[in-house]
Amino acid sequence: DTGVSQDPRHKITKRGQNVTFRCDPISEHNRLYWYRQTLGQGPEFLTYFQNEAQLEKSRLLSDRFSAERPKGSFSTLEIQRTEQGDSAMYLCASSPDPVTRINGYTFGSGTRLTVV
Amino acid sequence: GENVEQHPSTLSVQEGDSAVIKCTYSDSASNYFPWYKQELGKRPQLIIDIRSNVGEKKDQRIAVTLNKTAKHFSLHITETQPEDSAVYFCAASTQDTGTASKLTFGTGTRLQVTL
Repeated sequence: DTGVSQDPRHKITKRGQNVTFRCDPISEHNRLYWYRQTLGQGPEFLTYFQNEAQLEKSRLLSDRFSAERPKGSFSTLEIQRTEQGDSAMYLCASSPDPVTRINGYTFGSGTRLTVV
Repeated sequence: GENVEQHPSTLSVQEGDSAVIKCTYSDSASNYFPWYKQELGKRPQLIIDIRSNVGEKKDQRIAVTLNKTAKHFSLHITETQPEDSAVYFCAASTQDTGTASKLTFGTGTRLQVTL
């Protein structure tokens, strides 16, 4: 599978617990993005990386959220002390090198988080 | 920051008819406008995109038009088929050095194609 992979597909957690999601981008893509999508809404930008550098973070990304991409390959998104309002689909996307190609994003299938 | 508005929120057409979805954006610096199709429970998939140096782009039954002056862009689907039924999202971005950075999405249009 040469697409964007996300793990797990579904996560149910109790309020107050910590959760971590993983994203494996398309191998030749050096940009990686995290979005959050709630029911009936479009995806909302959370953060993005160019290689291992986190270049931008949305105001939506509270201090309970942290994202990493330590080796410029896969990325993790951690939510600490989860709240019911964190329930959403968390989408990862990647895009190719800006120098060599012009193309759109490729999204993963997402991780659906339910906080009970 | 950028704000993208999309309408209608729902659209029902008969098979074979055309469907048009419209979006407006606020940031005049935006120069990349993709459209995504999302089927229930699946990932958004890019179906067509347009850059600000182009006014119209067509790919088989799908076309997108862009009016930079008015800051609006539209998706046109002709000869609709039942498999076109999905939620469609427009988005806007300021593209830098050849690839898109963060996308700001519209709220989506649920298209239903009836037989």
